[in-house]
Amino acid sequence: TQLLEQSPQFLSIQEGENLTVYCNSSSVFSSLQWYRQEPGEGPVLLVTVVTGGEVKKLKRLTFQFGDARKDSSLHITAAQPGDTGLYLCAGLDTGRRALTFGSGTRLQVQP
Amino acid sequence: DTGVSQDPRHKITKRGQNVTFRCDPISEHNRLYWYRQTLGQGPEFLTYFQNEAQLEKSRLLSDRFSAERPKGSFSTLEIQRTEQGDSAMYLCASSPKTGYGETQYFGPGTRLLVL
Repeated sequence: TQLLEQSPQFLSIQEGENLTVYCNSSSVFSSLQWYRQEPGEGPVLLVTVVTGGEVKKLKRLTFQFGDARKDSSLHITAAQPGDTGLYLCAGLDTGRRALTFGSGTRLQVQP
Repeated sequence: DTGVSQDPRHKITKRGQNVTFRCDPISEHNRLYWYRQTLGQGPEFLTYFQNEAQLEKSRLLSDRFSAERPKGSFSTLEIQRTEQGDSAMYLCASSPKTGYGETQYFGPGTRLLVL
């Protein structure tokens, strides 16, 4: 069974600070997706990365897929209160359709 | 552009009752997934359909759970003889047959509370 470990589990920072969230596994994934989830709602897709070493930017968010496609990171620059939420990484195993999710990083950005 | 929709959004039931949830995927998405999410955890895969065929089921899907997608469009998830441990958020997702990284798009979920 593939596992994805996210760190940190909780993060409380001040507005304007930078942060990085990590998603690690011992297994290789064919692709990896990052979602943000608000309380009581479903996960909303932020980005999909497919190629080892791939870097994608979404405004102040930068996503990187590890060279070996076993890990990923999410970096937020100058965090804002609107970034508050649960960040989930999810990997897709080659040959399967089920996403394996990490347990999430709960981010709170204080104004 | 409509996303994945789920109904109902919330369901409270008594232990032992049956419940049924519905999911309408993004139109023309032929793949549909069900996940379950408990408090403080990431979603866990339950089952997957390609068109009307149920191609994969998790060991989490006990014999009290059944899912259908009769016409390859909407899907239903039924839980029979509910137990308190079934309390969770049930999430549906869909994806197109071909696409970048086979991205899955999630609905808002159905939150189930079994009393």
